[in-house]
Amino acid sequence: GNSVTQMEGPVTLSEEAFLTINCTYTATGYPSLFWYVQYPGEGLQLLLKATKADDKGSNKGFEATYRKETTSFHLEKGSVQVSDSAVYFCALSGDTNAGKSTFGDGTTLTVKP
Amino acid sequence: NAGVTQTPKFRILKIGQSMTLQCAQDMNHNYMYWYRQDPGMGLKLIYYSVGAGITDKGEVPNGYNVSRSTTEYFPLRLELAAPSQTSVYFCASSPYTGNTEAFFGQGTRLTVV
Repeated sequence: GNSVTQMEGPVTLSEEAFLTINCTYTATGYPSLFWYVQYPGEGLQLLLKATKADDKGSNKGFEATYRKETTSFHLEKGSVQVSDSAVYFCALSGDTNAGKSTFGDGTTLTVKP
Repeated sequence: NAGVTQTPKFRILKIGQSMTLQCAQDMNHNYMYWYRQDPGMGLKLIYYSVGAGITDKGEVPNGYNVSRSTTEYFPLRLELAAPSQTSVYFCASSPYTGNTEAFFGQGTRLTVV
């Protein structure tokens, strides 16, 4: 079956530091890949997505590239801000499983001023 | 735009009590899902529905029931609440099968004491 593995957290960075959160996946077929962000007390919201190999998703300074050869979708940001503090989830949605998404366990990011 | 609306936001139940978590979406999405999120963990799929009148079990269905009489509503029923059901519950929807992101409600934080 499908699975998503995220780097273990939590991650604590200083403001303006470079961020990488690793994500690898196992899936059949040709899934789409997503990063969701969850701010305290809120639901998950889509941060970015990529629907095919070599696609790069980007939003709010965050980027991730769909690497089929390494089955990875690592999240990066060049300069984090305090407001980026949240939980980040990597996920995939396949084309053969009734739209169900598979989520990683989430990585908590804390950015200190 | 309302999106996915969940009620209540918080609830405390006593062991053995029952309740229904409400979920409504106004995006005319066919697919709807219920997840639970335990502290420090990812999301586990409880039940899902691919359309009105059609529901199916996810990874962790025991102790829950669902119904889907219309496209808009997808309530989750807890019978005989147990402490193990203490969690944050998220309802989500997506417009069509596979390769698409999910839209989440803000969650219901349930404590069973």
